[in-house]
Amino acid sequence: AQKITQTQPGMFVQEKEAVTLDCTYDTSDPSYGLFWYKQPSSGEMIFLIYQGSYDQQNATEGRYSLNFQKARKSANLVISASQLGDSAMYFCAMTGAPGNEKLTFGTGTRLTIIP
Amino acid sequence: GAVVSQHPSWVICKSGTSVKIECRSLDFQATTMFWYRQFPKQSLMLMATSNEGSKATYEQGVEKDKFLINHASLTLSTLTVTSAHPEDSSFYICSARSGRPTQETQYFGPGTRLLVL
Repeated sequence: AQKITQTQPGMFVQEKEAVTLDCTYDTSDPSYGLFWYKQPSSGEMIFLIYQGSYDQQNATEGRYSLNFQKARKSANLVISASQLGDSAMYFCAMTGAPGNEKLTFGTGTRLTIIP
Repeated sequence: GAVVSQHPSWVICKSGTSVKIECRSLDFQATTMFWYRQFPKQSLMLMATSNEGSKATYEQGVEKDKFLINHASLTLSTLTVTSAHPEDSSFYICSARSGRPTQETQYFGPGTRLLVL
């Protein structure tokens, strides 16, 4: 079984500052995928970034980077130079080994960017 | 790329009626689609995995006769909420697996808000 834990229910960050959203995971699968999604108030789930368990480098996508620490089983999302449009719910999620493609989601973190 | 559409975006219906929600992958073929349900201020809960040309796989506790899923083609899956009741009111969102950046990546539709009166 897989489990995702997001311990920050809400965060307030000043515009233009960097923000780190925490995510820890637990799995018995030797290979897995880690994802971050953004859900604005409109409800859609927007894919942000992916990290494979065997990837040597931390994933980056524009202002988003994933701080992957395998030994600690953590996959924190870092947003650099936050913008007002970053205000949303953020979900960390994971899939298991090939054949186990179900996404397991965390409870989410509500990020609010303050002007 | 990797666009998923969902229709309708809003449904208000009377108790006892059936509601059909469509999920389409617009620019890729999706052999597997997923249906989720999300209650206010909660995370997404997987309801079922929809495979093209075969029966859907339902998660534990999800009534397959209540939530009918049809994956008729590589770009279309439908969820029918049969004899809807107020407790079925929720946000229903589908996703489809794309090959980008990995076969595991799921792209989500915009969701359907269902309100049963």
